[in-house]
Amino acid sequence: DQQVKQNSPSLSVQEGRISILNCDYTNSMFDYFLWYKKYPAEGPTFLISISSIKDKNEDGRFTVFLNKSAKHLSLHIVPSQPGDSAVYFCAATGPNAGGTSYGKLTFGQGTILTVHP
Amino acid sequence: DAGVIQSPRHEVTEMGQEVTLRCKPISGHDYLFWYRQTMMRGLELLIYFNNNVPIDDSGMPEDRFSAKMPNASFSTLKIQPSEPRDSAVYFCASRSGGANIQYFGAGTRLSVL
Repeated sequence: DQQVKQNSPSLSVQEGRISILNCDYTNSMFDYFLWYKKYPAEGPTFLISISSIKDKNEDGRFTVFLNKSAKHLSLHIVPSQPGDSAVYFCAATGPNAGGTSYGKLTFGQGTILTVHP
Repeated sequence: DAGVIQSPRHEVTEMGQEVTLRCKPISGHDYLFWYRQTMMRGLELLIYFNNNVPIDDSGMPEDRFSAKMPNASFSTLKIQPSEPRDSAVYFCASRSGGANIQYFGAGTRLSVL
């Protein structure tokens, strides 16, 4: 049961253009969403997050959009740079019925972003 | 802060051997998580601790896997006996209570021959 899905395994973008990475979730209890970036031979690093009370959060070149009715979020990178080439993971969290697993992250499969010079 | 520290970075062992992975969380963080990353299953949570107590081990694949956190600054993930299908990258992460952001170590790449 994959509760967080990133349906695009890879994305290729030209430097300077916009990169749009997508993520869908099925669990309506999720109320906080995060994006992580991962370079080869390194651990995932936190990039940006959004709470379910918002529909947009922006941090420099990175913007995350949340559409709760569609259970969909996206990460926009503008402008894209070659250094952005990495694997991007979407993650979600929320309280379970007993409240004991709040903060446990469920990850998508990841999208490999390649930004060409 | 040095971040989450994992050791070893690489481990190569033979089937049937015991493997111990180590993790030092960020000082002051009271949650610690163990993940496994494989091509087939992606990044999956194995177990997590709060204040050194295991809270959810539902992701631990089988009895061959065990994890301990004897104190706030150290945790181990042990596989005994190891099997080739255990080959993966194992990550440790930590966070402070009340925050959702987890901070990951660089991972241990395990190869079981």
